[in-house]
Amino acid sequence: EVHLVESGGGLVQPGGSLRLSCAASGFTFSGYVMHWVRQAPGKGLEYVSAISSNGGSTYYGNSVKGRFIISRDNSKNTLYLQMGSLRAEDMALYYCARDRLGNNYGYPDYWGQGTLVTVSS
Amino acid sequence: DIQMTQSPSSLSASVGDRVTITCQASQDIDKYLNWYQQRPGKAPKLLIYDASNLETGVPSRFSGSGSGTDFTFTISSLQPGDFATYYCQQYADVPQYSFGQGTKLYI
Repeated sequence: EVHLVESGGGLVQPGGSLRLSCAASGFTFSGYVMHWVRQAPGKGLEYVSAISSNGGSTYYGNSVKGRFIISRDNSKNTLYLQMGSLRAEDMALYYCARDRLGNNYGYPDYWGQGTLVTVSS
Repeated sequence: DIQMTQSPSSLSASVGDRVTITCQASQDIDKYLNWYQQRPGKAPKLLIYDASNLETGVPSRFSGSGSGTDFTFTISSLQPGDFATYYCQQYADVPQYSFGQGTKLYI
């Protein structure tokens, strides 16, 4: 069974940094594109970032480009999101998700339960 | 970037009703559209992929149709657990994904 568990969320001041992690199990992590999607309180889903199965290709949504870095450690079955220069509008529940198509960019199918990032002074 | 316009933003319905949600893409996305359900406090769940294909284990009262720029999601007979928020998502321009703004379905 696919299992994704996010961690690392918390309270951070504007301009600060935070690193999120997503521990994966139940599938061959190194064979799948992975995603980060966020949801601000009471708002809709916003696409954040994606990374290829070997980590060689990454993508960022316009609102986080230049501030966030996605990475992965296939030996640890873990996905990361390094967030910097955090703003109030980055406050959200951050979900990691596995891609349906494995090595190719497809779309999220399995999602974790999310980790909450609060940006406030 | 491809913009997804979903309507309505909210919808009041009753158990047993048939409901329809629409999603319009700002450009041709062929069949590359998904529908997700998000119950309160839960992660999104994939219901429909490639515009009209039912995800394994999803009840047949859920269906999707459309191609190009106009898409429809239908629940044929609402059940209590269906009251949730539904999102469309395009993946024609991977990895530049985008979601619709969501439709909250409530009693």
